[in-house]
Amino acid sequence: KAGVTQTPRYLIKTRGQQVTLSCSPISGHRSVSWYQQTPGQGLQFLFEYFSETQRNKGNFPGRFSGRQFSNSRSEMNVSTLELGDSALYLCASSTSFRGNYGYTFGSGTRLTVV
Amino acid sequence: AQRVTQPEKLLSVFKGAPVELKCNYSYSGSPELFWYVQYSRQRLQLLLRHISRESIKGFTADLNKGETSFHLKKPFAQEEDSAMYYCALRTYNNNDMRFGAGTRLTVKP
Repeated sequence: KAGVTQTPRYLIKTRGQQVTLSCSPISGHRSVSWYQQTPGQGLQFLFEYFSETQRNKGNFPGRFSGRQFSNSRSEMNVSTLELGDSALYLCASSTSFRGNYGYTFGSGTRLTVV
Repeated sequence: AQRVTQPEKLLSVFKGAPVELKCNYSYSGSPELFWYVQYSRQRLQLLLRHISRESIKGFTADLNKGETSFHLKKPFAQEEDSAMYYCALRTYNNNDMRFGAGTRLTVKP
């Protein structure tokens, strides 16, 4: 069974640009959550999707957005990139809404904004 | 607001010694608590859930609602237990999973 796949693995962007990150959950997992991980702030929740609907959103500015497709694949987009957006972005999938059985994480996309 | 606190950033023990990684949470209702582990160069992965009362790789964790704690314990640490450990909380009125800052455990030979 393939794990959670995130693409690309690494990304370098310039301030002001926008970026789209992709996440393919484990087959059969309908819940996808996104986290931002930084050395200073740790793991911070971005949003969670279930059945193509955003169920919850963390305290991030509107520049951060996401969506989920009918095949449960998810994308997140960050517009007007700032230096502080440099981080590891993790995607996690779960069989159920709320992740009662725990999450399965991807390897992450490391975004560097210069 | 719901919060997870892991008071120790670093913890070092010798092989064969008992280890306890502390986790305290703030939430007045019934929480769902998890421990996740990240070994060097590997993905973050679920270690155990309080609801299943399981023992994984010799680790156990008991939910203490009175002390609002969910400490992770292992009676005899092994070198392969060296990793980053994260405690996580999920509540019924807030759908996101909140993670603690993590504790880096080093088991010395």
